Amino acid sequence: EDQVTQSPEALRLQEGESSSLNCSYTVSGLRGLFWYRQDPGKGPEFLFTLYSAGEEKEKERLKATLTKKESFLHITAPKPEDSATYLCAVQETGGFKTIFGAGTRLFVKA
Amino acid sequence: DVKVTQSSRYLVKRTGEKVFLECVQDMDHENMFWYRQDPGLGLRLIYFSYDVKMKEKGDIPEGYSVSREKKERFSLILESASTNQTSMYLCASSSRPQIHNEQFFGPGTRLTVL
Repeated sequence: EDQVTQSPEALRLQEGESSSLNCSYTVSGLRGLFWYRQDPGKGPEFLFTLYSAGEEKEKERLKATLTKKESFLHITAPKPEDSATYLCAVQETGGFKTIFGAGTRLFVKA
Repeated sequence: DVKVTQSSRYLVKRTGEKVFLECVQDMDHENMFWYRQDPGLGLRLIYFSYDVKMKEKGDIPEGYSVSREKKERFSLILESASTNQTSMYLCASSSRPQIHNEQFFGPGTRLTVL
């Protein structure tokens, strides 16, 4: 069964303390992997798309990487405004659906 | 800026009521989606539409129906609301082709069924 698993469920960091969020996936063929950010009470906001193993993308303090089985979202020197839920989603080849993980809630304390 | 709007941010309904959730996008996107989001379960696809008057069932269509009479508008209908449909409902849109395209989400409607 195709699935997307994110870990940890929640992560508490001090401001400036770098860390990584994990997204592991099981699909027969990967078309694309997406990262979204979701603030409380709002809809998800698109961050990155990764297509193939070895690919990396960066935006401010965030860097997403992709292997054949998982993706990491690295957060360098986070700030309190980076606090949010980060969602990983996968689209498989030959299908029409995007499968979402349950998300990682990130809390960054000043 | 892509904008996806939903008719209500918060909604409280009674069991058995018929409920309409409206979604409008202003970017001429072909694809539109309805998800529900529950703690620990992630986003689950209810229905999606790839063109006007076209619809496809997602993972959890039971108890729901949809309508897409115009390209910019996609409605989710709860025929007879039940307490287990209490959830956050998110609408999204994306341009064709769907492959490799990110989805743009609305702010969500938090529905409570009493």
